[in-house]
Amino acid sequence: SAVISQKPSRDICQRGTSLTIQCQVDSQVTMMFWYRQQPGQSLTLIATANQGSEATYESGFVIDKFPISRPNLTFSTLTVSNMSPEDSSIYLCSALWSPGSLAGETQYFGPGTRLLVL
Amino acid sequence: AQKVTQAQTEISVVEKEDVTLDCVYETRDTTYYLFWYKQPPSGELVFLIRRNSFDEQNEISGRYSWNFQKSTSSFNFTITASQVVDSAVYFCALSEAGGFKTIFGAGTRLFVKA
Repeated sequence: SAVISQKPSRDICQRGTSLTIQCQVDSQVTMMFWYRQQPGQSLTLIATANQGSEATYESGFVIDKFPISRPNLTFSTLTVSNMSPEDSSIYLCSALWSPGSLAGETQYFGPGTRLLVL
Repeated sequence: AQKVTQAQTEISVVEKEDVTLDCVYETRDTTYYLFWYKQPPSGELVFLIRRNSFDEQNEISGRYSWNFQKSTSSFNFTITASQVVDSAVYFCALSEAGGFKTIFGAGTRLFVKA
């Protein structure tokens, strides 16, 4: 399986500021994803991040608010810009990993970043 | 459109009881993948199982077992002899061939009391 780490694990931020979340995978992966999980809710996909191309955003999420970088096959960042209290959530990074062509691909997740915006 | 329904919002059991978490899915794809993830209070999503649409064999892993039935579009998860450490939110998920986009159910919160 892929081991994924995220930094920071949690943060408390002031309204109007920005926070960049880092995601590191212990092996090279083609596709990485960023999700948001609001309190007590399920996961909502923000965007798909492929190395060497622009991130693909889901409906309701825009690049100006959630810029994403994917500089190489093991790393990605998500920035939450101009934050408001409504952005308080857990942000989860995941990577699509396959042990081999017959076993298929599975998303593995990082530990998440708990963000509180005051 | 793809959809995953976990009708049970919360389940509470006493330790050592068996518990089944239900998952019903909708998809028009003939090839798809089903998953179960566990999210303990720490927040990290832990991968439990992946099942391909062409493999209807049930699977057992220790106290965990999964029943996949294409005829009813269900992929249910049973924990035998539940333990307090099983307390978590469990998510069922569905992805299209290639696994590029995964749809998650609303999750079922399981409380196991000592």
